[in-house]
Amino acid sequence: AQSVTQLDSQVPVFEEAPVELRCNYSSSVSVYLFWYVQYPNQGLQLLLKYLSGSTLVESINGFEAEFNKSQTSFHLRKPSVHISDTAEYFCAVSVKVEGSSNTGKLIFGQGTTLQVKP
Amino acid sequence: EAQVTQNPRYLITVTGKKLTVTCSQNMNHEYMSWYRQDPGLGLRQIYYSMNVEVTDKGDVPEGYKVSRKEKRNFPLILESPSPNQTSLYFCASSFRALPYEQYFGPGTRLTVT
Repeated sequence: AQSVTQLDSQVPVFEEAPVELRCNYSSSVSVYLFWYVQYPNQGLQLLLKYLSGSTLVESINGFEAEFNKSQTSFHLRKPSVHISDTAEYFCAVSVKVEGSSNTGKLIFGQGTTLQVKP
Repeated sequence: EAQVTQNPRYLITVTGKKLTVTCSQNMNHEYMSWYRQDPGLGLRQIYYSMNVEVTDKGDVPEGYKVSRKEKRNFPLILESPSPNQTSLYFCASSFRALPYEQYFGPGTRLTVT
């Protein structure tokens, strides 16, 4: 069965410092990869996704993630964080299948709480 | 505004009292799904629907029912809630199944005593 591991449950960091949130998945087949962000008392919002092509994907607010097939990783990075980035971040994976086998299911990691301190 | 709405947002109930959590989307999406979020476990899929009248089980369907009579609505039904169903529930929708982006509702926090 597919699984996603987010290696850190909490990541405290000071404002303007760089951050990396780690994500590893278990799959030997082609996958789609996603990062979602959940701000307090809100639903999840898509931050960025990897479907195919360039292994480096970027979001509009400065985050980036790199798909590493050999290490089955999809770590999220930001060179300089802001207080407003404080949130819970979820890595998710879905196996690429076509037709009736495509259930649309996202398999989520346990989540990483990013705490940005002033 | 394109959105997924859920009601109620908060609910405290007792064991065995049937309840329904509604989910509605205004984006004409074919695909809808329910997840539950528990600390340390992330989100797990309960049920999903590829289109009207087409539903199927996710990873944790026990104790839940769903229906999809209209494209915009996908209610989650707990016929006889139990304390282990205390959780945060999210409804999501997308144009079609993956890789299309899933849009999430604001969540429903359910407590079963």
